Amino acid sequence: DAGVIQSPRHEVTEMGQEVTLRCKPISGHDYLFWYRQTMMRGLELLIYFNNNVPIDDSGMPEDRFSAKMPNASFSTLKIQPSEPRDSAVYFCASMGDRRYQETQYFGPGTRLLVL
Amino acid sequence: SQKIEQNSEALNIQEGKTATLTCNYTNYSPAYLQWYRQDPGRGPVFLLLIRENEKEKRKERLKVTFDTTLKQSLFHITASQPADSATYLCALAATSNTGKLIFGQGTTLQVKP
Repeated sequence: DAGVIQSPRHEVTEMGQEVTLRCKPISGHDYLFWYRQTMMRGLELLIYFNNNVPIDDSGMPEDRFSAKMPNASFSTLKIQPSEPRDSAVYFCASMGDRRYQETQYFGPGTRLLVL
Repeated sequence: SQKIEQNSEALNIQEGKTATLTCNYTNYSPAYLQWYRQDPGRGPVFLLLIRENEKEKRKERLKVTFDTTLKQSLFHITASQPADSATYLCALAATSNTGKLIFGQGTTLQVKP
């Protein structure tokens, strides 16, 4: 398996623009997590899905952020409109059936810079 | 309020020595705790998991302890190597039935040859 795939790897955009980050989890994994990492706040959970259903979105900073998982092999995190304070590395992670393993597998991340 | 604390300062040690990293938490009763390694420009990679009813776990040169009374986990790397240089993150699972993790800020380890 190729692991968790994220695209794009780098994104530079201007304030006010819409940003869409994409994630393909490991095949067969039931859980998908979106995190944001900054120097100041560390690694923060934004939202996670179980079997394509959003379970906990309490970490989503505000209404400008939205996430979807239309099927088991694809998820998006959208920021509209983007602001400079959204600049961070965004990670997607997936996890299999938690009855058997509780390891999260992280993608390489998308480094977002909002000017 | 709930808090997870790891050594904010980098840990510098000599090759061959044992590195010990600390993770303290308050106002949590975690079902389990995990340690991850993160290299610059990459995503975290899982290393070890220890449950609330376990005192110690080992994997090759790695050892993790979990003291729920002290609310502390210690992560040890024995016979450290320059290749062990990275940032190490501890993560708590508040409950065992969600998979949701809360991460500490991480401690950067530098092993000098």
